[in-house]
Amino acid sequence: SAVISQKPSRDICQRGTSLTIQCQVDSQVTMMFWYRQQPGQSLTLIATANQGSEATYESGFVIDKFPISRPNLTFSTLTVSNMSPEDSSIYLCSVVHVFTDTQYFGPGTRLTVL
Amino acid sequence: AQKVTQAQTEISVVEKEDVTLDCVYETRDTTYYLFWYKQPPSGELVFLIRRNSFDEQNEISGRYSWNFQKSTSSFNFTITASQVVDSAVYFCALSETSYDKVIFGPGTSLSVIP
Repeated sequence: SAVISQKPSRDICQRGTSLTIQCQVDSQVTMMFWYRQQPGQSLTLIATANQGSEATYESGFVIDKFPISRPNLTFSTLTVSNMSPEDSSIYLCSVVHVFTDTQYFGPGTRLTVL
Repeated sequence: AQKVTQAQTEISVVEKEDVTLDCVYETRDTTYYLFWYKQPPSGELVFLIRRNSFDEQNEISGRYSWNFQKSTSSFNFTITASQVVDSAVYFCALSETSYDKVIFGPGTSLSVIP
């Protein structure tokens, strides 16, 4: 399996600020995704992080609010912009391992917006 | 459209009891993948199993077993002789391909009482 790390693991932020979350994988992966898990809810896909090009966003999510970068095969960032308390969630990075074609999830970033 | 239903929101069992978590899915695809993930209180999402639509054999891994029935669009998960460490939220999920985005069910919260 792939070892996935996310930074920060948790943060408490003020309304109106932005936070960038990093996702680093220890091996080559084919796909990288960003999911959101609101309190007590299931996971919802935000976007597919595409290497060297713009991310592909799901309905209800826009680039201005959730800009994503993926400069290489093993690293991606998600920014939560102009935060409000409704953005308080766990944000998870996931990857599809190149050899197993199985999707693994990072440990998540627990974000609280005051 | 793809959809995953987990009718059991919360289940409580006494340690050593067997418990089955239900999962029903909807898809128009003839080829698809089904998953189970475990999310313990720590928040990390742990991959348990992936099954493709062509493989209807039941699978057993230690105390875990999975029953895939294409005829009823179900992919149920049984834990035998449950333990306190099994307490977690369990998600059933579906994707079109092994490297595509994953559609999650709402989750079942399992509490194993000592």
